[in-house]
Amino acid sequence: GEDVEQSLFLSVREGDSSVINCTYTDSSSTYLYWYKQEPGAGLQLLTYIFSNMDMKQDQRLTVLLNKKDKHLSLRIADTQTGDSAIYFCAEKEAGSYQLTFGKGTKLSVIP
Amino acid sequence: GAVVSQHPSRVICKSGTSVKIECRSLDFQATTMFWYRQFPKQSLMLMATSNEGSKATYEQGVEKDKFLINHASLTLSTLTVTSAHPEDSSFYICSAREGVGLAGELFFGEGSRLTVL
Repeated sequence: GEDVEQSLFLSVREGDSSVINCTYTDSSSTYLYWYKQEPGAGLQLLTYIFSNMDMKQDQRLTVLLNKKDKHLSLRIADTQTGDSAIYFCAEKEAGSYQLTFGKGTKLSVIP
Repeated sequence: GAVVSQHPSRVICKSGTSVKIECRSLDFQATTMFWYRQFPKQSLMLMATSNEGSKATYEQGVEKDKFLINHASLTLSTLTVTSAHPEDSSFYICSAREGVGLAGELFFGEGSRLTVL
């Protein structure tokens, strides 16, 4: 079946850029998503990218997609302590509304 | 963006009792809602797809008699954990799809933490 992999932890200093990486196996993925989960809360959609795009920028967030390598990344510029959370990568395959999630990357921001 | 609300956000119950969790789409109609379970330090596991006016579709390994799902209206789906046991303790999250959505976008509830004593 489909598989989405992420590294589990990332630690950065406040003000630096954070880069969270994700790889997926489903070549029919149509959309790829990044969600943020703060402690004890549900998921908040941060951004998404169509599979026919290779980059999307939204304020401090930049998503890069390498479809050939099935690699997705999320860059957070000027990382703040409020960015500390778990970030989930998810992919949606063609013809389905279901998402397959990675295990999440816990981002810790050091003041 | 659209809002999905879950209630209760936290519930503690005794082993053997049943617990109902509600998922509401507050400002849109959702023909399809999804229920997920999240274990500590784990990803979300899709439990079932809830379709308004019809039976839910359960993922493999999820007991439909234990996790009862009802989607009686376009804005409400409920998950009832029947005869709960400590191993059912988990964080349950619902999501709802708004219309046909440009990106098939799902909006997530805040989650409900169930603790079974």
